[in-house]
Amino acid sequence: GAVVSQHPSRVICKSGTSVKIECRSLDFQATTMFWYRQFPKQSLMLMATSNEGSKATYEQGVEKDKFLINHASLTLSTLTVTSAHPEDSSFYICSAREAGTVYNEQFFGPGTRLTVL
Amino acid sequence: GNSVTQMEGPVTLSEEAFLTINCTYTATGYPSLFWYVQYPGEGLQLLLKATKADDKGSNKGFEATYRKETTSFHLEKGSVQVSDSAVYFCALLNTNAGKSTFGDGTTLTVKP
Repeated sequence: GAVVSQHPSRVICKSGTSVKIECRSLDFQATTMFWYRQFPKQSLMLMATSNEGSKATYEQGVEKDKFLINHASLTLSTLTVTSAHPEDSSFYICSAREAGTVYNEQFFGPGTRLTVL
Repeated sequence: GNSVTQMEGPVTLSEEAFLTINCTYTATGYPSLFWYVQYPGEGLQLLLKATKADDKGSNKGFEATYRKETTSFHLEKGSVQVSDSAVYFCALLNTNAGKSTFGDGTTLTVKP
């Protein structure tokens, strides 16, 4: 089946630093990837939709300068949390949809736990 | 707009009990419906799906039927196991927009 990986799985950083999270589709091409944020015991909040070769589409209330998204290839999207602060601590999950399949499910990565000290 | 409402948790059951987690939705058009499961510290895994009315999705003993007349997609399992303890998310995919909408999740704990 389709596999999506995320790296790193956990990261701890100091306040004010930037952190990059990678999302890769391992055995399929993904023209669209999604980035979610999940708070403890809560549902997934869609942050942005990442389209290969174009700018990401951000959801209302998500700061695009704070959360930089790059989808440089059909198998890789990155989320960079710039100047991270403790309130950015969260579980970040990406998902990918296989190219040419609008009707199918998304395949989710295992998530990245970000802790900002 | 689209929305998904699912049964509030947490739900605690004894092993071999019957499980129902309710899910209702509001959507324009004809969405696809999904149930995902999330184990502690992990991402979401697709449990089952249904793409049109009256379809029944099933996997690992879990079932859900796409009911257009009641806009529901309730998750059921006849006999739960301790290993089924997880958070379950109901979701819909609006094929026009290409985005998924998730319910708030229901935490299931199965005790031996």
